[in-house]
This record gives sequence, C-alpha cells and structure tokens, in this order.
Amino acid sequence: DTAVSQTPKYLVTQMGNDKSIKCEQNLGHDTMYWYKQDSKKFLKIMFSYNNKELIINETVPNRFSPKSPDKAHLNLHINSLELGDSAVYFCASSPYGLAGGPYNEQFFGPGTRLTVL
Amino acid sequence: KQEVTQIPAALSVPEGENLVLNCSFTDSAIYNLQWFRQDPGKGLTSLLLIQSSQREQTSGRLNASLDKSSGRSTLYIAASQPGDSATYLCAVGSGYSTLTFGKGTMLLVSP
Repeated sequence: DTAVSQTPKYLVTQMGNDKSIKCEQNLGHDTMYWYKQDSKKFLKIMFSYNNKELIINETVPNRFSPKSPDKAHLNLHINSLELGDSAVYFCASSPYGLAGGPYNEQFFGPGTRLTVL
Repeated sequence: KQEVTQIPAALSVPEGENLVLNCSFTDSAIYNLQWFRQDPGKGLTSLLLIQSSQREQTSGRLNASLDKSSGRSTLYIAASQPGDSATYLCAVGSGYSTLTFGKGTMLLVSP
C-alpha cells in the first residue's frame, strides 16, 4: 500500500554511465516531481509534471531527462553520469496541478541514493 | 526568487520540553507551507500543511503557525519525546506549486 515508491533505493555506478530511476504513485495524483538532495542535505526542485506534461524544468543539465509514460509514473534518466550527480533523488506527487495551489500537499517517496564513482 | 531560512540549524533538548522551530521566507506570494520530518537515510514525512489563507494547523502535539505578511512560520512541538529526534524541514509552495525548502533544523531529544 506504498503511496509513492522509487526503485532502486541505492544505485552505485561509474562515471560516464547512463542510469534510470523509476517512480510510481498509487494516490491518483495529477502532478509528480523530482527533487535532488545534495551532500549538504539541501533539497531542490528539478522537474514537475502535470498529467504527463512537463511544467517545470529548473536549471538542470540536459543530461537529465524525465519521462512520464502515464499519470502514475515519472522516471528519471541520467546520461553520462558525473561525480557531481551523486546525491539522493526524491520523487513526490500532489493531488492537483497549478490550480490546486493551497491544497497541493506533496507526498514524497523514500529516495534513491545515487553514488557515482 | 524565494528563499527559505530555518533557525536554529540544530537543537538539543531534554525529553518533555516544549520547543519552537522557526522558518522564514522572502516572498509572501505563497500557496501554502508544509512542514516535513526526515529521519536519517529516510524519505520525507509530511507533518502539516498550512494553506496561505490559514493561520495555523494542529496535529497531535504539533502546532504550526503561518504569518504570511511577515514571511514567518513556526512549528511548536509540545512535550518532546526521543522519538521526535529528526531533521525538520520547512517548505514553501509557490510558483507552479513546487516547493522551496529550507536547510532544516536537526532536533535531538535526549531521554
């Protein structure tokens, strides 16, 4: 009965590789997000998707490409991994799109710890 | 650009104390404010959501207040317990409903 799930939980890989992180929510929410938590534990928005459409793309290198096959899934693909990509990546979802504003409580997944060697 | 600041960065209290965590934000054009808890190596657990039109929200021993005009929120924890030890994150919802996070307050409650 997990609300927002991510796989894998841990990912260790070499520089230059391509990897993907999967996210699924079973809450029936319209909007999904990817956040990055750096080594100093600071969380920052990367992408926001509403009903499979990209809404927000913060200043993220184009090596990062989110893909939303349906409303319940938002995957993150990373090309040519670099040392600086090492972080914890969190997926989140919220019930509404932009119009939902005040009611848009966000629920987070358990995170994926990515280590690039 | 929205900036969120949390004070203090760390707090250590004995069990049973009441405590207040502070959060301030620079742009008052917000939709809501959420308080989260993060345990080491874990994800974020939503504690309270305050809509921009609300002044406070309560859940059990937690009470969060919001003063949008002054750009401040507080999280009050009553009768703290060792199980409350975690990092508490304040996040402001604005723009396209994305959250801007503070750097958190690391709380340690000792028995």
